[in-house]
Amino acid sequence: GQNIDQPTEMTATEGAIVQINCTYQTSGFNGLFWYQQHAGEAPTFLSYNVLDGLEEKGRFSSFLSRSKGYSYLLLKELQMKDSASYLCAVSSTGGFKTIFGAGTRLFVKA
Amino acid sequence: ETGVTQSPTHLIKTRGQQVTLRCSSQSGHNTVSWYQQALGQGPQFIFQYYREEENGRGNFPPRFSGLQFPNYSSELNVNALELDDSALYLCASSTGAGPAAYNEQFFGPGTRLTVL
Repeated sequence: GQNIDQPTEMTATEGAIVQINCTYQTSGFNGLFWYQQHAGEAPTFLSYNVLDGLEEKGRFSSFLSRSKGYSYLLLKELQMKDSASYLCAVSSTGGFKTIFGAGTRLFVKA
Repeated sequence: ETGVTQSPTHLIKTRGQQVTLRCSSQSGHNTVSWYQQALGQGPQFIFQYYREEENGRGNFPPRFSGLQFPNYSSELNVNALELDDSALYLCASSTGAGPAAYNEQFFGPGTRLTVL
């Protein structure tokens, strides 16, 4: 079957670092995406990993281990505006289907 | 370059009715995917169209159907609406060019459908 697991909620302090984990089981793998979604808005693209390792983009980094079916999103120097849901999504081969996790709601407190 | 747009923004229907949602893809994008997002959940894949042909489908019944037009705009049609169809419907466009293509999707703002 196909399954993506990520924590439901996390809380962190402004200026700190937070790591959001994602584990997946899918039939075929064509890359893993992280999206940010503020309440009532559409998801916006953060990162894409298709090879093992760390991809860094400003305050955001994403890591992938294909053998472990594991990824994480690392957010540094947290800001209040980072309070949002973070969606882990896997693109599977065949049919271009993208499977989303339920999302992790991140609360950033002062 | 224009982004992905959707209409209408909000819609209220009653059980048993039919609804058509519309999506205009980002310029240059030939692939559109539709998703249903219930409150507090991640988007669930409904189907994808690539160059006017359905290119993949999720676990949704046949009363969910779609079209993609030559200009790559798209429609999602839902017949015999049920209460559980109440959700945010998102479309996302991309430049998918094959099974192994990197396929970053750009989402529209969504249509909030309420079924009473």
